[in-house]
Amino acid sequence: GAVVSQHPSWVICKSGTSVKIECRSLDFQATTMFWYRQFPKQSLMLMATSNEGSKATYEQGVEKDKFLINHASLTLSTLTVTSAHPEDSSFYICSARESIGIRGSPLHFGNGTRLTVT
Amino acid sequence: AQSVTQLDSQVPVFEEAPVELRCNYSSSVSVYLFWYVQYPNQGLQLLLKYLSGSTLVKGINGFEAEFNKSQTSFHLRKPSVHISDTAEYFCAVSGDAGNMLTFGGGTRLMVKP
Repeated sequence: GAVVSQHPSWVICKSGTSVKIECRSLDFQATTMFWYRQFPKQSLMLMATSNEGSKATYEQGVEKDKFLINHASLTLSTLTVTSAHPEDSSFYICSARESIGIRGSPLHFGNGTRLTVT
Repeated sequence: AQSVTQLDSQVPVFEEAPVELRCNYSSSVSVYLFWYVQYPNQGLQLLLKYLSGSTLVKGINGFEAEFNKSQTSFHLRKPSVHISDTAEYFCAVSGDAGNMLTFGGGTRLMVKP
């Protein structure tokens, strides 16, 4: 089955530093990937849609300068949390759809990255 | 616009008992419906999906769900749960070819011995 690999799974960083999270589709190509954020005991909130070869589309309220997204290839999207602060601590999850253009094709999710900013 | 409501934030149940996790949605267009499971500190795993056809959908781990268009529901059921089914369950809806998913708030299933 389709596999999405997310790295790192857990990261602790100091306030003011930047953290990069990678999302890879291992056995399929994904022209579009999605980045979600999940607070404890809450649902997933879509942050942005990452498009290969073009700019990401951010949801309302998400700071594009703080959450930099790069989708450089058909199998890799990265999310960089710049100048991280404790309020950025959260669980970040990426996902990709195996077959773009086929309506209803399910998303495959990475295992998430738990970011803790001290 | 679409929305998904999971009426129960937590569902405690004893092992080997049946369970139903409720999901209602609203959408102005035809929808595709999904149930995902999330174990602690992990991503989401697809349990089952409804795209079209038979309204009763069977998924992995013995779960099934029934699409009811008139009641705009897609409840998840399992006739006999195991301790290992303890997890967070998310209902989601997609209504267009833009591939976006809208998630419900999640239901924590707690299976007790």
